[in-house]
Amino acid sequence: GQNIDQPTEMTATEGAIVQINCTYQTSGFNGLFWYQQHAGEAPTFLSYNVLDGLEEKGRFSSFLSRSKGYSYLLLKELQMKDSASYLCAVRPHNQAGTALIFGKGTTLSVSS
Amino acid sequence: EPEVTQTPSHQVTQMGQEVILRCVPISNHLYFYWYRQILGQKVEFLVSFYNNEISEKSEIFDDQFSVERPDGSNFTLKIRSTKLEDSAMYFCASSPFTDTQYFGPGTRLTVL
Repeated sequence: GQNIDQPTEMTATEGAIVQINCTYQTSGFNGLFWYQQHAGEAPTFLSYNVLDGLEEKGRFSSFLSRSKGYSYLLLKELQMKDSASYLCAVRPHNQAGTALIFGKGTTLSVSS
Repeated sequence: EPEVTQTPSHQVTQMGQEVILRCVPISNHLYFYWYRQILGQKVEFLVSFYNNEISEKSEIFDDQFSVERPDGSNFTLKIRSTKLEDSAMYFCASSPFTDTQYFGPGTRLTVL
C-alpha cells in the first residue's frame, strides 16, 4: 500500500520559520513533491526532490532522505499569505506521466 | 505564464446524469491527468493519459469514467451516470516530458 503522513495542522507567527514534515511508505519512489493549496484553489507546485539533500528556492526549502522515507518543507520569513495547506506527494513509479500519491496535507495558519 | 484551464468552474447535476468536465492543458505538455478531491479529504489520482492512451488509472477510475482528447487542445473527463459520492473538486493537470505536474483551477461537481 501507499502511505504518506503529515501533521494535520500547524500554527506560526509572521516572520518565523516553520518546518513541515512528511514521511512516506510507498511501493516505489521516483520523486517527492511539495504543493501549496489555498482553500478552494488548485495545488500550486513548490518543490521537487528526487535525490537526498536540500533544495532551496527563495523562502522555501525542501529536504529529502530516501533511506528514512522522510522529507520536510522549510518556510522562512513567514507571511500571512503563507496560510494554506501544504501537500506532500510521492511519485512511486519510474515512468513519466504516472500518478502522484498525496498526503492529507498540513494546514498552516500564520498569525500576526 | 501558461496555465491549465478548466470549464465549467462549477457543475450541478442530478444523480444518474452524465457530465463532461473539460480541460485545456498547457500547450507543449505531453502528459495529462485527472485528480479529484472530496471536500476535506486528500487529492486522489484518477487517470493519466499520454499519446492518446491511458497510461495509468486508479481503482476509482471504473467503467463509469472515461477520458478523451477530442482535438489538439482539449482533454475531457466523462462520468456516465453520476452518483452522490462523485461530488468533489476535479482537477486536471499536465506535465511536459519532465516530472512536475501543473494543476488547473478545478471544477466543483455537485451531484444532487
